[in-house]
Amino acid sequence: GNSVTQMEGPVTLSEEAFLTINCTYTATGYPSLFWYVQYPGEGLQLLLKATKADDKGSNKGFEATYRKETTSFHLEKGSVQVSDSAVYFCALSDHSGTYKYIFGTGTRLKVLA
Amino acid sequence: DGGITQSPKYLFRKEGQNVTLSCEQNLNHDAMYWYRQDPGQGLRLIYYSQIVNDFQKGDIAEGYSVSREKKESFPLTVTSAQKNPTAFYLCASTDRGATGELFFGEGSRLTVL
Repeated sequence: GNSVTQMEGPVTLSEEAFLTINCTYTATGYPSLFWYVQYPGEGLQLLLKATKADDKGSNKGFEATYRKETTSFHLEKGSVQVSDSAVYFCALSDHSGTYKYIFGTGTRLKVLA
Repeated sequence: DGGITQSPKYLFRKEGQNVTLSCEQNLNHDAMYWYRQDPGQGLRLIYYSQIVNDFQKGDIAEGYSVSREKKESFPLTVTSAQKNPTAFYLCASTDRGATGELFFGEGSRLTVL
């Protein structure tokens, strides 16, 4: 079945450091891929998405590229801020007609001033 | 503004009681979902519905029930049969169209005393 694996957290960085959160997936066909962010006590918000191979999603300085050959969708940001501290979820949706979404376990990011 | 409204935000329940969590959306979305989130864990699918008057069990449906009598509403009942109901519950919806993204509510935190 479909699955998403993302790196264990927590990830602790100093402000202005480079961020990478790894995400790999297993899926049949051509799923859409997403990164969501969750701040404490809140729901999830879409951060970025990519719907086909080689697409690059970007938002608020974050980027991720849909790599079909490595089945990956790693999240990157060149210079993190304290306000980026949150939990990040990688997810996929298949297009088999069930419209089910599969989420990774989440990676907690803590940015220190 | 369009969005998803969950209520209540916090709920306390005694063991043996059923409780119902409300989820209302004004996005005109066909598909709606309920997820459970436990500390340090990812999202687990409880139930989902693709159209009115139809819904399917997710991965952890035991001890939960839903209804979908109106397009905009998808309430979740946590029954006394759910052995460990204390968790954060998230409702989401999607239009199933080209965008494919899930929109989330702010969540409801249920605590069993």
